[in-house]
Amino acid sequence: EAEVAQSPRYKITEKSQAVAFWCDPISGHATLYWYRQILGQGPELLVQFQDESVVDDSQLPKDRFSAERLKGVDSTLKIQPAELGDSAMYLCASRSDRGRTDTQYFGPGTRLTVL
Amino acid sequence: SQQGEEDPQALSIQEGENATMNCSYKTSINNLQWYRQNSGRGLVHLILIRSNEREKHSGRLRVTLDTSKKSSSLLITASRAADTASYFCATVTSGSRLTFGEGTQLTVNP
Repeated sequence: EAEVAQSPRYKITEKSQAVAFWCDPISGHATLYWYRQILGQGPELLVQFQDESVVDDSQLPKDRFSAERLKGVDSTLKIQPAELGDSAMYLCASRSDRGRTDTQYFGPGTRLTVL
Repeated sequence: SQQGEEDPQALSIQEGENATMNCSYKTSINNLQWYRQNSGRGLVHLILIRSNEREKHSGRLRVTLDTSKKSSSLLITASRAADTASYFCATVTSGSRLTFGEGTQLTVNP
């Protein structure tokens, strides 16, 4: 069964350093999402892509976060510089645009710890 | 911002018992979805119910939706230890954007 891939699974960094996360969605899924999940809370959407275009980045802290999906397939989320409050799980999800479906498929996440 | 609020925040039951989790939301929705998250893992989609539906079943799962009360419930029947996880409701109001609640932590004791 196809899955969303994410790497790394765990990342420890010091504040003010740069960090990047990678996501490979299920093949053929045009829509890709990045979520941030603080411990004990539900995920919150950071950015949504439709193919290579950003559809919604209203919750993305653009002074330090950036996201790209250059070829409309895999995606990278970057934080520079990282802050203590960025410690969280970063989840990637994808969704097919074929048919009438709103189901999103999530990857295993990247657990970020900022020291 | 969180749209949904789950109740209870934590639930502990014995294997074989039923577990009921509730979700309330604030604005009109297109659909409501339930997801499960095992500790430290990604989310797994369980079931989707559209705004014009009142009840859906999937295996041991039963979901109800009351749009007049802006609430939904998830029932897991004959629970198993493997059902131990966090359960989140998520609403879709426009497009495909999911807005999650804060989740219910379910513990099923063997």
